[in-house]
Amino acid sequence: TQTVSQSDAHVTVFEGDSVELRCNYSYGGSIYLSWYIQHHGRGLQFLLKYYSGNPVVQGVNGFEAEFSKSDSSFHLRKASVHWSDSAVYFCAVSPSSSFSKLVFGQGTSLPVVP
Amino acid sequence: EAAVTQSPRNKVAVTGGKVTLSCNQTNNHNNMYWYRQDTGHGLRLIHYSYGAGSTEKGDIPDGYKASRPSQENFSLILELATPSQTSVYFCASGVGGHEQYFGPGTRLTVL
Repeated sequence: TQTVSQSDAHVTVFEGDSVELRCNYSYGGSIYLSWYIQHHGRGLQFLLKYYSGNPVVQGVNGFEAEFSKSDSSFHLRKASVHWSDSAVYFCAVSPSSSFSKLVFGQGTSLPVVP
Repeated sequence: EAAVTQSPRNKVAVTGGKVTLSCNQTNNHNNMYWYRQDTGHGLRLIHYSYGAGSTEKGDIPDGYKASRPSQENFSLILELATPSQTSVYFCASGVGGHEQYFGPGTRLTVL
């Protein structure tokens, strides 16, 4: 069974702060890991993904995530947040086959105080 | 611009009525998905499709049917709507499951 855990339901930061949003997973076999962002009242938007290679992957708008096999983690980071980064962030796991599904974490709400 | 659109954006239905939610994508993706999003449950997969004519059950298919008449269109059908189906529904498309592109959502209220 593939599970995704986001331990922080809510993280508040100030504009200009750095932030790390945590994601841990359990799985059997090879997987894709990804992050999505959901602004209030909108659909989810794809941020970045990891399958293999360099464990640090870059996404849009200055976001990056780092894969750690030993920790079973895929944490999302940003060096300096902007108020427009205020959103809910979802970590997701899917097997590497083409006909695959996404299993989402519960999401982390990130309000950025101007 | 490639996109996923959903209609209607808001819907109020009566218990026992039939509801059809529509989704259109211009991404030319083979895979399409229907999710519902509820507080405390995150996103849960209802049905998905590998291409025109195909539909597959997701994790919570009971009470829902799906139809994929073409590459571009994927519908979710509630034959007998119940108040427990009040939710926000999202459609998504993707080449593989690991990178999906979502529509803006449909807010459904069943009274």
